[in-house]
Amino acid sequence: AQSVTQLDSHVSVSEGTPVLLRCNYSSSYSPSLFWYVQHPNKGLQLLLKYTSAATLVKGINGFEAEFKKSETSFHLTKPSAHMSDAAEYFCVVNFNKFYFGSGTKLNVKP
Amino acid sequence: GAGVSQSPSNKVTEKGKDVELRCDPISGHTALYWYRQSLGQGLEFLIYFQGNSAPDKSGLPSDRFSAERTGGSVSTLTIQRTQQEDSAVYLCASSRRTDSGANVLTFGAGSRLTVL
Repeated sequence: AQSVTQLDSHVSVSEGTPVLLRCNYSSSYSPSLFWYVQHPNKGLQLLLKYTSAATLVKGINGFEAEFKKSETSFHLTKPSAHMSDAAEYFCVVNFNKFYFGSGTKLNVKP
Repeated sequence: GAGVSQSPSNKVTEKGKDVELRCDPISGHTALYWYRQSLGQGLEFLIYFQGNSAPDKSGLPSDRFSAERTGGSVSTLTIQRTQQEDSAVYLCASSRRTDSGANVLTFGAGSRLTVL
């Protein structure tokens, strides 16, 4: 069965420190993978997508994600967190239908 | 249209009443999804339409929930005999197709439903 797992429901970092939001998927083949962000009281916005081209994908606002087939992972990273990054982040997989992870709430401390 | 349009943006209703939520997807998008997001929760899949295929209704929580998509474009989500636990933001999203890796889901702003 296809599934997507976000390992952390909450992540808290200090401003200026790195961000790591983890996502693992299970599939018998390489799917398309996405990260979406939802700021408080806002709609969902595409952050980045992986579609079998380069394994390191760069998105908006300095975020990037690396597809690792051997680990079935697609973790989201950013070298230096900003206060405006505080939001909820969703890992999404497309196996002929879009499946959402349960979300990770990122808190950024001043 | 330029984006996914949902209406109403806010709906307050009394328990037991029926409500209809509307989604107008991006022109040319054949796939349309409904999700529900309760306060502080993630996205709960409700139903998925792909072109002229039979919809995937596997996420509808009860038979009080139904959805239609007329002419392959506009979709209506209907909730009959609303209950307080139906209170949530109902999100609609569309994409061109879902069997191609290049496709992206574009979301509407959502319809916030409050059942008193």
